[in-house]
Amino acid sequence: GDSVTQMEGPVTLSEEAFLTINCTYTATGYPSLFWYVQYPGEGLQLLLKATKADDKGSNKGFEATYRKETTSFHLEKGSVQVSDSAVYFCASRGGSARQLTFGSGTQLTVLP
Amino acid sequence: GAGVSQSPSNKVTEKGKDVELRCDPISGHTALYWYRQSLGQGLEFLIYFQGNSAPDKSGLPSDRFSAERTGGSVSTLTIQRTQQEDSAVYLCASSLASGQSNQPQHFGDGTRLSIL
Repeated sequence: GDSVTQMEGPVTLSEEAFLTINCTYTATGYPSLFWYVQYPGEGLQLLLKATKADDKGSNKGFEATYRKETTSFHLEKGSVQVSDSAVYFCASRGGSARQLTFGSGTQLTVLP
Repeated sequence: GAGVSQSPSNKVTEKGKDVELRCDPISGHTALYWYRQSLGQGLEFLIYFQGNSAPDKSGLPSDRFSAERTGGSVSTLTIQRTQQEDSAVYLCASSLASGQSNQPQHFGDGTRLSIL
């Protein structure tokens, strides 16, 4: 079945540092890929998505590129802020599947 | 507009009791999903509804779990004879028709269930 593997963390960075959270997937065919963010005490919020190879999703300074050749969808941000502290989930959804398959989540803490 | 609404936000109950969790999806969203988020298991799919079709129950962990969706809108997840391992955050999500994999799912804030 489909699976998503992401860097587990926790990740602690200083404000304005560069962020990378790695995510790789296994799936039949070409899934759509998503990053969700969960702030403390809240539900999941869609951060960005990409639906086909070489697509780049971007939002709030975060970016991720759908790389079919490496089956990856790494999340990056050039300069993190304290307000970015949250748990980040990578997820995939294959063509015939209805539900999302999630990675284990990565806790990010940004220190001032 | 209004997002996915879940109630209660927190529920504490004794082992062996039944609980009902409610989800009110975004208006116009025909697909509705329940997931469970627990420390050891991460985010797990439980059940999926699409319009008036039979639900996909393949993620339900035991026959103590059931869900229904009345009138194609509000959904209730019921856990009978709760066990301590049922303690988790139960998340509901909705999306437009799920025929295409690129439709994002929009999540509620979840119900934190604690079984004593």
